[in-house]
Amino acid sequence: AQSVTQPDIHITVSEGASLELRCNYSYGATPYLFWYVQSPGQGLQLLLKYFSGDTLVQGIKGFEAEFKRSQSSFNLRKPSVHWSDAAEYFCAVGVSQTGANNLFFGTGTRLTVIP
Amino acid sequence: DAGITQSPRHKVTETGTPVTLRCHQTENHRYMYWYRQDPGHGLRLIHYSYGVKDTDKGEVSDGYSVSRSKTEDFLLTLESATSSQTSVYFCAISAGLALPGELFFGEGSRLTVL
Repeated sequence: AQSVTQPDIHITVSEGASLELRCNYSYGATPYLFWYVQSPGQGLQLLLKYFSGDTLVQGIKGFEAEFKRSQSSFNLRKPSVHWSDAAEYFCAVGVSQTGANNLFFGTGTRLTVIP
Repeated sequence: DAGITQSPRHKVTETGTPVTLRCHQTENHRYMYWYRQDPGHGLRLIHYSYGVKDTDKGEVSDGYSVSRSKTEDFLLTLESATSSQTSVYFCAISAGLALPGELFFGEGSRLTVL
C-alpha cells in the first residue's frame, strides 16, 4: 500500500535562511509525487510535481524538489525563505485506482518564519 | 481561481442529524474528490467520482455517502453525524489526464458536530 511520511511536524526558520522539508514515500510502482502548500484558512495549492525525467523539479514561488529513488525521498527546498512562505506544506503520492488516479497525502509540515 | 465552490463554508450541527455538503465546479472536469483534513492526519480521501453516477470509496468512507447526478455537482452526505466527523472538508477537482494529476481545491467546509 502507498504511504507518505513527513517526519517534521513543525519547522521554524529565519527569514532569508534556506529551507528543506523532508518527504519519504512508499509505493510499489513508479511514483508520481507532489508538493502542495496551504495558507491558513485556504485550500491547497500545487507547488510542484514529479512524473519522470529530470529528478530536480522547479516549482512556483522559488521552490524546488529533488526525487531520489534510492532513498524513496522527495524533499522540498528553497534557498531563501520569505515571511510569506509561512504555511503548511503537504507531500503527496499519486496512485492509480478504480476509475481514477488519486492522491494520498502526508500529515504535513507547518513552517513558521521568524523575522 | 479553479472555479470550485463549497457550501456551506461553516456548519454546526448535533450528533445524529443528517448533513450534506455541496461541491460545485464550473470547469466541467470529470474527476471530483472529497477529502477531510484533521490535525496529525493530513488530508484523507473519503470518496471520489470519475463521472456522472460513477463514484468509489476512498480510505475513510465509513459514515459517508456521495452522489453525482450532474458533472458540476458532487454531494457529500453524513447520514447521521457523529462527533468524530468534526473536521474540515475539502472538495477537489481534476481534469484527470493519463497520469495522476494535479488537483484543484476548494476553500473548505468546516463542520462541527456537537
